[in-house]
Amino acid sequence: DTAVSQTPKYLVTQMGNDKSIKCEQNLGHDTMYWYKQDSKKFLKIMFSYNNKELIINETVPNRFSPKSPDKAHLNLHINSLELGDSAVYFCASSLGDRDTGELFFGEGSRLTVL
Amino acid sequence: SQELEQSPQSLIVQEGKNLTINCTSSKTLYGLYWYKQKYGEGLIFLMMLQKGGEEKSHEKITAKLDEKKQQSSLHITASQPSHAGIYLCGYSGAGSYQLTFGKGTKLSVIP
Repeated sequence: DTAVSQTPKYLVTQMGNDKSIKCEQNLGHDTMYWYKQDSKKFLKIMFSYNNKELIINETVPNRFSPKSPDKAHLNLHINSLELGDSAVYFCASSLGDRDTGELFFGEGSRLTVL
Repeated sequence: SQELEQSPQSLIVQEGKNLTINCTSSKTLYGLYWYKQKYGEGLIFLMMLQKGGEEKSHEKITAKLDEKKQQSSLHITASQPSHAGIYLCGYSGAGSYQLTFGKGTKLSVIP
């Protein structure tokens, strides 16, 4: 059973479109995250969501919005896609326990904006 | 803001050789994490270090956190092709569950 699953794995779309990436975790974790990995493989936090508390990285454009229908899901919506949004997006989850801190990552969703 | 510097940025070693990857922080680390990413896959948790001087091992990989908790090293003994990938160190700030990562070290192991 996949612990953290993301769909789709690959997404190719035109500039200006709106798209969503879904994430589900079956670990019973309290906290979920979205990370963006750019072409240089630099991994940067975008959002974290814990018990309906959303923490947003201030550098993330407001075209990006996370939506959590329940504790096991954190979807990423992107409006008016731009070329610079092309990247691999990783979803992750954790217990939120400071003693372990281990994040469990999905396999990533590669977004290509043409 | 606190940043992590990883070195080297990339590393090519022959199978069987030992290697070390370093991760340096500008400030004291609350928690230091090591992850590995294989091409096209998600990140896999390797180890977490919290205490100054702490050392942990998993199979042929050993990670240490210095006494001042500002530098960590990841050492691989007798490297194998399966060790190839990108190694990332990350830290968590006080009161935060988020991890902030360094830019990663790309490791290639030549058979």
